[in-house]
Formats: sequence, structure tokens, C-alpha cells
Amino acid sequence: DAKTTQPPSMDCAEGRAANLPCNHSTISGNEYVYWYRQIHSQGPQYIIHGLKNNETNEMASLIITEDKKSSTLILPHATLRDTAVYYCIVRVDDKIIFGKGTRLHILP
Amino acid sequence: SQTIHQWPATLVQPVGSPLSLECTVEGTSNPNLYWYRQAAGRGLQLLFYSVGIGQISSEVPQNLSASRPQDRQFILSSKKLLLSDSGFYLCAWQQGKLRNIQYFGAGTRLSVL
Repeated sequence: DAKTTQPPSMDCAEGRAANLPCNHSTISGNEYVYWYRQIHSQGPQYIIHGLKNNETNEMASLIITEDKKSSTLILPHATLRDTAVYYCIVRVDDKIIFGKGTRLHILP
Repeated sequence: SQTIHQWPATLVQPVGSPLSLECTVEGTSNPNLYWYRQAAGRGLQLLFYSVGIGQISSEVPQNLSASRPQDRQFILSSKKLLLSDSGFYLCAWQQGKLRNIQYFGAGTRLSVL
């Protein structure tokens, strides 16, 4: 049980912002939301995480709704190298449970 | 800086043969260590994790086993491979015990024929 729900795939035009949604309606107040991505044939790569406030780093921004039941990962200017499967994860103890993620296609 | 090494990168093994995949981490101490498998076209499945030397937790019943003989070494093994063991095996480490970032190795692509 991955505890998150993501659309299976999305398209985004190169240079535009990619907004990837995630539902986590059963999340508790002290659980973090993490985002990873996996480029084909590589290991997953950490992107960003947050508890309840919006977060931004050099890769992306994370917007978490006030009720924490959903979040959105924003890649501000998508490039072809951002083509990957993006995983939204709610941490459970020492383990990460990966769901099926969203396959993001960046269109030239 | 910390690095994680997995080898080999690719492996082709016959059914019934043994398996040993090794993962080592440098630049940190007492990390949590993880083995994942990804079957073709599927998501990542957590197989084993370890919070310390000799401490192994298994997530799914299977034909594989894991060992942690040293603090920064994690080994995935099988006595007799099955066709269904084919997949992309990933090792990961995490510093800290809760809610911390996991860093993944480059993976081993195993084909059992």
C-alpha cells in the first residue's frame, strides 16, 4: 500500500512548468511527503520533501495543501532531461514504499 | 562526500545458479541500507533493509536473502536463481533513522535464463 495516488502519465511542453499532482488523503500530521524521480535504467533520485509548508530547492518546488491531503511537484522550466517516472511518497518508519508513479513525457 | 557502489552493472545467470550482489557505501557510518527490485515495466519493490550490522528485515517472502557483514556493506544472495528473479536490483542508503533521504546506487540488471 503506497498511501499515495498519482496519474499514470503526463505530458509537458519543453520550457513550460510541469505540475505533477499527488493525493495522500490518509497522511498524518507528522508524516512527510517525498518526491523522487527515476530516469530510465537509473536508480531513483531524490528531488524534494516537505511536512506542511511549501518548499523550494534548485530542482523543484513542492506545494502542499493546507489539509495535507494532496501536493504538487512543480518543475519550473521542464527540459527533455526531466523525462522520467516521478514518485510521490509518504514515509512509513524506516522504509520507503514506492507506488507506480507518474511517467512524465517532455515534448520538444 | 558519500558514495554508493553496486556491482556488477549487468549479470546473466542460468536458472539454478547462485547469486551474490554487493553494495558498499563510503563516506558515512551506520547507515540504513536497502535492497529493492524492479521487474521490467514495474515499480520498485522493497526486498530487504538493515539498520545495523547483522540486522536484516525482509519485506517479502522470496528466493533471496540479504546479509550485512560490515557496517557499510550489504549483500544480496540466492542459492538457486529462478526465472522470476530477473530484474533491476537497486541498493540504497540513508543516513539517520527516520524521514531521511535515500540515495540509490546505479543498479544491477539481472537476467536469469
